[in-house]
Amino acid sequence: AQSVAQPEDQVNVAEGNPLTVKCTYSVSGNPYLFWYVQYPNRGLQFLLKYITGDNLVKGSYGFEAEFNKSQTSFHLKKPSALVSDSALYFCAVRDWTGTASKLTFGTGTRLQVTL
Amino acid sequence: SQTIHQWPATLVQPVGSPLSLECTVEGTSNPNLYWYRQAAGRGLQLLFYSVGIGQISSEVPQNLSASRPQDRQFILSSKKLLLSDSGFYLCAWSPLGGRLNEQFFGPGTRLTVL
Repeated sequence: AQSVAQPEDQVNVAEGNPLTVKCTYSVSGNPYLFWYVQYPNRGLQFLLKYITGDNLVKGSYGFEAEFNKSQTSFHLKKPSALVSDSALYFCAVRDWTGTASKLTFGTGTRLQVTL
Repeated sequence: SQTIHQWPATLVQPVGSPLSLECTVEGTSNPNLYWYRQAAGRGLQLLFYSVGIGQISSEVPQNLSASRPQDRQFILSSKKLLLSDSGFYLCAWSPLGGRLNEQFFGPGTRLTVL
């Protein structure tokens, strides 16, 4: 079965500093990976995805993610964090049932950006 | 553009009462539809998915059921709620046949069972 792991429950960073939220994956076949963000009491918002091609994927709100096949990682990054980036971040991997795609999510990482 | 709606936004129900949560999608046809539960503000668990009217796949055995009476309507139900059914329920959709497409989530329903 496909799975992703987010090793950090929480990441703390000062505004203006770069941020990294970690994700590692375990898949059979090609990995199709996603990042989502969730603000309090809200649904998930899609940030970016890796399907194929460039290992550096650019997404919404200035976020990007680096796919590393040798390390089986897909870390989310942003060069300069904002307080408004504080939220819960989920990594996910696609699984194919034969009729539909399913997403398996990690346990989430809470990002706290402070002034 | 496509939008996804869920209602109610919040719900407080006694143990043993029935449940019906509704999800509708606008601006697309033949979407794949999904129900997730998020417990304790953390991980998401896929409960059901549907690739068409009347077609429901269950991911985990539990006290809940799902139905898709119309193309863009997805309903989550229970005959008798348990305390453990409390959580944040999220509906999502993705384009039909989109093997590599992301899913788009609704705003969620916060269910508290007392």
